Amino acid sequence: NAGVTQTPKFQVLKTGQSMTLQCAQDMNHEYMSWYRQDPGMGLRLIHYSVGAGITDQGEVPNGYNVSRSTTEDFPLRLLSAAPSQTSVYFCASSTGGLNEKLFFGSGTQLSVL
Amino acid sequence: KNEVEQSPQNLTAQEGEFITINCSYSVGISALHWLQQHPGGGIVSLFMLSSGKKKHGRLIATINIQEKHSSLHITASHPRDSAVYICAVEGMRFGAGTRLTVKP
Repeated sequence: NAGVTQTPKFQVLKTGQSMTLQCAQDMNHEYMSWYRQDPGMGLRLIHYSVGAGITDQGEVPNGYNVSRSTTEDFPLRLLSAAPSQTSVYFCASSTGGLNEKLFFGSGTQLSVL
Repeated sequence: KNEVEQSPQNLTAQEGEFITINCSYSVGISALHWLQQHPGGGIVSLFMLSSGKKKHGRLIATINIQEKHSSLHITASHPRDSAVYICAVEGMRFGAGTRLTVKP
């Protein structure tokens, strides 16, 4: 199994540009989530989904949009990129909710100039 | 003050040493995760525990729910254990991580 696949691995954007970070899992997990990791701050939850058609905000949702049309895919959209969104982004999935074992993607390093 | 505090922030050890990483949290929880982030950036879940102790190979994780404290121990440390170890509590609130370097 591929597990959790994130694309792209690296991306450079200009301020104001939009883009979508892709996340797909092939484990039939209901729960998927997006995190950002900044130096010295640890991982922070952006958005999460407990199943197709259901999404909710995490700790730092502003500037990000998500949708969950299928069990497999959970894309993260930056509508108008800002330098403050420069970070490393991780997608994760699990069999259950926030308290089940998480499987992480390999991360996307995003720079906004 | 962060809800999840890890100590130490950085740790350097010699190969073979016994390692302890600590995690304290301020919120009531029913489960806690220990994650390992390799130098290449990938994150792997090591343990999820809600009470007592779990062991996997040379790794041992303990939790005391009443004292709001968990520890991750590595016995007979090896250079391949060099990584950032991250504690996360219910609701996916994360510590800032402990960077472990094991020297041969």
